[in-house]
Amino acid sequence: AQRVTQPEKLLSVFKGAPVELKCNYSYSGSPELFWYVQYSRQRLQLLLRHISRESIKGFTADLNKGETSFHLKKPFAQEEDSAMYYCALSPNSGGYQKVTFGTGTKLQVIP
Amino acid sequence: EPEVTQTPSHQVTQMGQEVILRCVPISNHLYFYWYRQILGQKVEFLVSFYNNEISEKSEIFDDQFSVERPDGSNFTLKIRSTKLEDSAMYFCASSAERELFFGEGSRLTVL
Repeated sequence: AQRVTQPEKLLSVFKGAPVELKCNYSYSGSPELFWYVQYSRQRLQLLLRHISRESIKGFTADLNKGETSFHLKKPFAQEEDSAMYYCALSPNSGGYQKVTFGTGTKLQVIP
Repeated sequence: EPEVTQTPSHQVTQMGQEVILRCVPISNHLYFYWYRQILGQKVEFLVSFYNNEISEKSEIFDDQFSVERPDGSNFTLKIRSTKLEDSAMYFCASSAERELFFGEGSRLTVL
């Protein structure tokens, strides 16, 4: 069975401080990992995925297979980063994606 | 930019009533999904749909639930006899490859 764990429900940081949103996963194979974000009053949208190795809006996430983690990081938080962040896992490759979500972490950036 | 659209945005119904939630996926996508999020809880997978049939469903998706693609554009979720615990936000999503594109959700309130 696949599981995604986000231990923090709420993370509050000051503007300009570093951010790390934690994510651990449980899956026996080689999953695909994602971070989805939901800004206030907006739809859930993809932020980044591990296979692309991109930095989006200053965020990066490295897949650590040894620790089964996929933590989301940003060196300097901005107010507009305040949102709900969901770590997600898919065991599938190709077109079909059955994505399992974590419980989400609310990031609050304090001005 | 194409988007997944969902209607209604909010529906209030009496327990035992049938509800149909509608979704228009992005036109060139082949995979369709329903997820739900009970208030304060995580986003949960309900069902995936491909090539006019269910490809996978969760244990939540019991006989009270059904999905249909009645024409070339709509993708519907029907709940035959709603229960109080069906109150949630229901998200439709579609994908062509690896990224899920979500609608804004339909909030269902069962009284």
